[in-house]
Amino acid sequence: EAQVTQNPRYLITVTGKKLTVTCSQNMNHEYMSWYRQDPGLGLRQIYYSMNVEVTDKGDVPEGYKVSRKEKRNFPLILESPSPNQTSLYFCASSLRFIQGDIATNEKLFFGSGTQLSVL
Amino acid sequence: KNEVEQSPQNLTAQEGEFITINCSYSVGISALHWLQQHPGGGIVSLFMLSSGKKKHGRLIATINIQEKHSSLHITASHPRDSAVYICAVGGSQGNLIFGKGTKLSVKP
Repeated sequence: EAQVTQNPRYLITVTGKKLTVTCSQNMNHEYMSWYRQDPGLGLRQIYYSMNVEVTDKGDVPEGYKVSRKEKRNFPLILESPSPNQTSLYFCASSLRFIQGDIATNEKLFFGSGTQLSVL
Repeated sequence: KNEVEQSPQNLTAQEGEFITINCSYSVGISALHWLQQHPGGGIVSLFMLSSGKKKHGRLIATINIQEKHSSLHITASHPRDSAVYICAVGGSQGNLIFGKGTKLSVKP
């Protein structure tokens, strides 16, 4: 079954304790991305990756790290979490295609989300 | 000013009604996505549009690139359509900008 697997589903931690949220897809997608969702602010992009070893900052990258060593995996790392990183996090992946001279994302597939609480 | 504006923010409809949700954007885009998020949080992609119109079952999405506007229509709405509908615009660099969503409630 085509899917994006995100773990854990729920995570409670304390300020400063490093954590990793994992994201894996089995669809051979080039593109992977991380988002956070906060009440009143909606979804915001943290980081994205167009392919292995290629990552770019989204709108809210501060306090986060990512790596893309393999095509299927795109972990999100919080080296020193703070309470303002309490949020609902989503990973997504998609194919990329060229239309005319513009590259764009195909249909997005989302993980089931990680509710993170930093105390 | 937000780069992606959705309207309305909240919408209540009676079962069977025709529903329209609008999305306007101010940036250049390579594609526009319509997403659905049910209570409980999971996000599902409904459409990806770069031009014209797409239809899937009772859902229709249109985009007007010149006017920087897209609409999502639901025909013969049903209580199971109750969800938050989110518009997202994608740049050619891979970045995505989201609207704040439209919360739809369909009453039986």
